[in-house]
Amino acid sequence: SYELTQPPSVSVSPGQTARITCSGDALPKQYAYWYQQKPGQAPVLVIYKDSERPSGIPERFSGSSSGTTVTLTISGVQAEDEADYYCQSADSSGTYGVFGGGTKLTVL
Amino acid sequence: QVQLQESGPGLVKPSETLSLTCTVSGGSISSYYWSWIRQPPGKGLEWIGYIYYSGSTNYNPSLKSRVTISVDTSKNQFSLKLSSVTAADTAVYYCARHRVVVAATPVGYFQHWGQGTLVTVSS
Repeated sequence: SYELTQPPSVSVSPGQTARITCSGDALPKQYAYWYQQKPGQAPVLVIYKDSERPSGIPERFSGSSSGTTVTLTISGVQAEDEADYYCQSADSSGTYGVFGGGTKLTVL
Repeated sequence: QVQLQESGPGLVKPSETLSLTCTVSGGSISSYYWSWIRQPPGKGLEWIGYIYYSGSTNYNPSLKSRVTISVDTSKNQFSLKLSSVTAADTAVYYCARHRVVVAATPVGYFQHWGQGTLVTVSS
């Protein structure tokens, strides 16, 4: 079955830049989406269509894509950004949804 | 603003069938795709499957043999049934509405989510 691969954890100090990657063979064909999830809450979309930012999401959140890897970048990380981040996409046929394993962002 | 609310038993016995309903308010269930997603305690998200308001479905291949998703447009609800459950099916179950970005790719992304409901499988 199709999988998206994320690093389990990323740690940064406040004010630094955090980069979270997501790799998958179908990513050149399918858009990627990023969600932020804080404990006890439902996920919240922070990036759609690889690099678009929904209204209400701070400008420090950005996304990019290169080949089979997409990257979520958080510039000037703040303590409130500490959360789990999940990438999501579809298989090459666009039929099945798939999530990455999630990355725990720790703000030191 | 559309809202989704999951409901159903919080405790299911092993080998029985898990049944959940998602009630949609603030908007119609028509013309959209709707998914079930789950998250075992302390673990990541897993897409279970989706249904279109017309009734067409698609399921995660890893769960396909045990999953049924149905829709009741008259009640603005859709439902999940997962059979032969084990402890591995213990999870928070979310319902969500899709936003389709490319017409040929109904998965799109999950724009609206319910708050989630914890279902524990235990005797």
